[in-house]
Amino acid sequence: DAKTTQPPSMDCAEGRAANLPCNHSTISGNEYVYWYRQIHSQGPQYIIHGLKNNETNEMASLIITEDRKSSTLILPHATLRDTAVYYCIPRGTDTGFQKLVFGTGTRLLVSP
Amino acid sequence: GAVVSQHPSWVICKSGTSVKIECRSLDFQATTMFWYRQFPKQSLMLMATSNEGSKATYEQGVEKDKFLINHASLTLSTLTVTSAHPEDSSFYICSAREVGAYEQYFGPGTRLTVT
Repeated sequence: DAKTTQPPSMDCAEGRAANLPCNHSTISGNEYVYWYRQIHSQGPQYIIHGLKNNETNEMASLIITEDRKSSTLILPHATLRDTAVYYCIPRGTDTGFQKLVFGTGTRLLVSP
Repeated sequence: GAVVSQHPSWVICKSGTSVKIECRSLDFQATTMFWYRQFPKQSLMLMATSNEGSKATYEQGVEKDKFLINHASLTLSTLTVTSAHPEDSSFYICSAREVGAYEQYFGPGTRLTVT
């Protein structure tokens, strides 16, 4: 499984965009990049995933660099409810997409 | 859709007793369910993967005789912590993967405290 590096913590003002980076320089060609978040004392919540094209859904946008060695999750208008730990997880077909290996993630604090 | 529930949401038990945690997929059938453990201020650690009707696959370092997993139906998996000790106190989270799909949906977690 590819290793990831995320900043341990980030701050964001409410209403501003939150840009959360993830380095996954050892990602293999068949591994997608998944993003989950975990609000305190809850189970993780799926946000978005992508392979090489940028993706957008109702929650966030995912920007993947052309070499696929890094990606950025963008929350366009952060709210207080977006305060959570965000996990970037490469996930591939080698294990039939079985496992999700959680790293340490980025703790995002959205303040008023 | 894709809702996973866990029961109980929290439990306190005495050292040496066993406790069972249920994980249910409410609106879909799950061939595979996963059990994670999370200690305070740490990340989720996968404990085991269970497939309906077969034995669970445990991650390295997880005692299969202590953490008994049963996945008897396509909507229910149970984790039994046997002879619990205070060091087993943790947040236990399950996830379920729908038949024919890749996505995993997580339950809300169960907080176990062993006194």
